[in-house]
Amino acid sequence: FTLTQPHSVSESPGKTVTISCTRSSGSIASTYVQWYQQRPGYSPKIVIFEDDQRPSGVPDRFSGSIDTSSNSASLTISGLRTEDEADYYCQSYDSTNPYVFGGGTKVTVL
Amino acid sequence: EVQLVESGGGLVQRGGSLTLSCSASGFNFDIFPMNWVRQTPGKGPEWVASISHSGSDTHYEDSLKGRFTISRDNARSSVYLQMNNLREEDTSVYFCVRSIVATAAVYFDHWGQGALVTVS
Repeated sequence: FTLTQPHSVSESPGKTVTISCTRSSGSIASTYVQWYQQRPGYSPKIVIFEDDQRPSGVPDRFSGSIDTSSNSASLTISGLRTEDEADYYCQSYDSTNPYVFGGGTKVTVL
Repeated sequence: EVQLVESGGGLVQRGGSLTLSCSASGFNFDIFPMNWVRQTPGKGPEWVASISHSGSDTHYEDSLKGRFTISRDNARSSVYLQMNNLREEDTSVYFCVRSIVATAAVYFDHWGQGALVTVS
């Protein structure tokens, strides 16, 4: 299966952005979705695991959810800050593919 | 502090071999599965291989089986990736990554800074 993300989203500081991640086959609810943030020049960093769980140290401005009707997962960043400008990747798995990543979404803070 | 430091990257000719090393510190290395993930600039990460905490189990991305070998030395807190018969499409930044089991999912919780491998 593949995970499809929008190429880019942009919004002003203080606003809210939502990034989608659509699964091509199989139910989005059948396996958990993770989200990684990659700032320019840095390695990826986990921000959401198991659909909606935040690792310690990740601000509660970051939230995750899934929508079975659209077979997609979403990452929402509220109260957008300049430091949130980064590429964001969703990741999931199935019985034959242990780690499948989306193509990434570039978040630009205007 | 968890640290993962890759080494061994560089320029290699098509058909050649290269071995990446990753030195880990700041945690009990021998209880965590380890992984290699690669990323071509402008693209999403691509999982390459995983190895269990003991080294007894290994898994590979299907297209890389037979060319890449992951191994580990718990006494040295190190994990390795041997890459043979390299192709131009293997050109990428290779990350050493620790994985952790949450309630049900396994996810990557710490990444190294990456090692660039260029095949020409």
